[in-house]
Amino acid sequence: GAVVSQHPSRVICKSGTSVKIECRSLDFQATTMFWYRQFPKQSLMLMATSNEGSKATYEQGVEKDKFLINHASLTLSTLTVTSAHPEDSSFYICSGQGVDLPRRTEAFFGQGTRLTVV
Amino acid sequence: AQSVTQPDIHITVSEGASLELRCNYSYGATPYLFWYVQSPGQGLQLLLKYFSGDTLVQGIKGFEAEFKRSQSSFNLRKPSVHWSDAAEYFCAVGGGVTGGGNKLTFGTGTQLKVEL
Repeated sequence: GAVVSQHPSRVICKSGTSVKIECRSLDFQATTMFWYRQFPKQSLMLMATSNEGSKATYEQGVEKDKFLINHASLTLSTLTVTSAHPEDSSFYICSGQGVDLPRRTEAFFGQGTRLTVV
Repeated sequence: AQSVTQPDIHITVSEGASLELRCNYSYGATPYLFWYVQSPGQGLQLLLKYFSGDTLVQGIKGFEAEFKRSQSSFNLRKPSVHWSDAAEYFCAVGGGVTGGGNKLTFGTGTQLKVEL
């Protein structure tokens, strides 16, 4: 399968600061990137979908000004949590989907980022 | 709207015993179905997927799943569980390549414990 690398794997930040999480597709061009959030012992909730070169589409209830998503190239998408608060502490996972079959029919996941806001 | 139900939050099996994890989905058209496994603090690893064709799908690590359209189910099975299979398992449904990409809806997960 294709490889998606997510960085950092863990980050601790102070309340009020911003944190950037990177998601890179290493061996394919990810035209679409998905960002998920997972609370402890819960399922993954889709936050937003981004297509390369376009603005991200956010799911209902997700603050687009707080969770800034950039997908400027076919191999890199970033999620920036702005003015982080303790309630933003969570596990964030990205996934990428390409244009060429079979990658067009499957999304490949990064390793996830554990964000802790203190 | 698409949805996934995993009725079992926790399942405990003995090593060597057979396993079946249940998954029911709701989707308006032919679904794309997936099973993922997640170890603590890790990302998701794809076990298997169903797009079309043979309704019995073979995956990695000895897992298989059967798509039953009449029951809207996609249950995951393994004939003999190993202690290393202990993890969280997620069933997911997607709509394929249309509509802005393969946006997945996940079930709530089943936590598998394996007794030695």
